[in-house]
Amino acid sequence: EVRLVESGGGLVKPGGSLRLSCAASGFIFNYYSMNWVRQAPGKGLEWVASVSSSGESIYYADSVKGRFTISRDNAKNSLFLQMNSLGDEDTGIYYCVKWTGAVTGTGRLDDWGQGTQVSVSS
Amino acid sequence: DIKMTQAPSSLSASVGDRVTITCRASRNIDIFLNWYQQKPGEAPKLLIHAASRLHTGVPSRFSGSGSGTDFTLTISSLQPEDFATYSCQQSHSTPYTFGQGTKLEI
Repeated sequence: EVRLVESGGGLVKPGGSLRLSCAASGFIFNYYSMNWVRQAPGKGLEWVASVSSSGESIYYADSVKGRFTISRDNAKNSLFLQMNSLGDEDTGIYYCVKWTGAVTGTGRLDDWGQGTQVSVSS
Repeated sequence: DIKMTQAPSSLSASVGDRVTITCRASRNIDIFLNWYQQKPGEAPKLLIHAASRLHTGVPSRFSGSGSGTDFTLTISSLQPEDFATYSCQQSHSTPYTFGQGTKLEI
């Protein structure tokens, strides 16, 4: 059974930083691209970032480019999101999500963690 | 970026009804369209990928169709557990983008 467990969320002041982690189990982690997807309170889903299975290819949403860094440690079956210069607009639940298939094409977000809450407020 | 627009934003229906939700892409995305279901307080779940392929374990009352710019998600006979929010997402190109969601209510 695929299991994705996020941690590292919390309350942070505007301009602050947080590092999210995701512990993966139940599948061969280094075979799959991984993503972060977030959801602001009462809003829809927003894709944040993606990292390829090897870690060589990385993509970001424009809204986080230059502020967030996605990375992975295949030896530890872990995914990370370093978030800097946080603003109110970054508040929400952050999901760690496994991607199956090609980066573009018939790929999909097929396994989701339960999410970790990030709140940015003074 | 490809903009995804769903209609309606909310929908009231009854158990046993047939329901259709539409998703329109701002440009041609071939069949590269996925559907997700999300219940309150839970993470989203994949329902359909590549426009019409049912994800493992998803009941056959769910179906998807479309290609190019126009897509539909159909639930043939609503069950109590289907009341949730449904979102489409394009996988044609990064940045991956989602529709705003359709809330299906009793």
